[in-house]
Amino acid sequence: DQQVKQNSPSLSVQEGRISILNCDYTNSMFDYFLWYKKYPAEGPTFLISISSIKDKNEDGRFTVFLNKSAKHLSLHIVPSQPGDSAVYFCAASEWAGTASKLTFGTGTRLQVTL
Amino acid sequence: NAGVMQNPRHLVRRRGQEARLRCSPMKGHSHVYWYRQLPEEGLKFMVYLQKENIIDESGMPKERFSAEFPKEGPSILRIQQVVRGDSAAYFCASSPNGGANTEAFFGQGTRLTVV
Repeated sequence: DQQVKQNSPSLSVQEGRISILNCDYTNSMFDYFLWYKKYPAEGPTFLISISSIKDKNEDGRFTVFLNKSAKHLSLHIVPSQPGDSAVYFCAASEWAGTASKLTFGTGTRLQVTL
Repeated sequence: NAGVMQNPRHLVRRRGQEARLRCSPMKGHSHVYWYRQLPEEGLKFMVYLQKENIIDESGMPKERFSAEFPKEGPSILRIQQVVRGDSAAYFCASSPNGGANTEAFFGQGTRLTVV
């Protein structure tokens, strides 16, 4: 039972354009959502998070949007850079604002082309 | 300030042997989480520990797997009598506490191969 779903296994975007990565979830108890970036042979690196009481959180080039009624969140990267090429994981937690027991999606591989 | 340190980075075991994976959390972090990533899948939660206590082990297989986080020293994930299906990347993460707005910082992982 995949409670966090990233339906696009891969995405290719030109440098300078916007990258939009999507994530859907089924568990209505999820209260805190995070995005991680992962390079090959490395551990996930935290990017940005959002609490369920918000619908948007922005940090530099990264913005996360949350639509609770649709159980959907998205990560926008603008402008995209070649160094953004990596696998992006969406993760969710039932405990408000905590990193405990995260449920991860299967990841989306982003390729930013020149 | 060193990040989360995991060792070894790569571990090869024959079927039936024991595997011991170590995780040293970031300085000042007292909460440790272990995750497993099978090929082509996302990370799956295994266990959440604080110093000397297991808080949540709902993701741990019932047999052969155990974890500890002693008062002194690293957290250890132990897999007894390994089987081929245990081959995966095992990631450890740490956080300063389990409270609100807490990020978990991940180590580079241990890639276990069972031959």
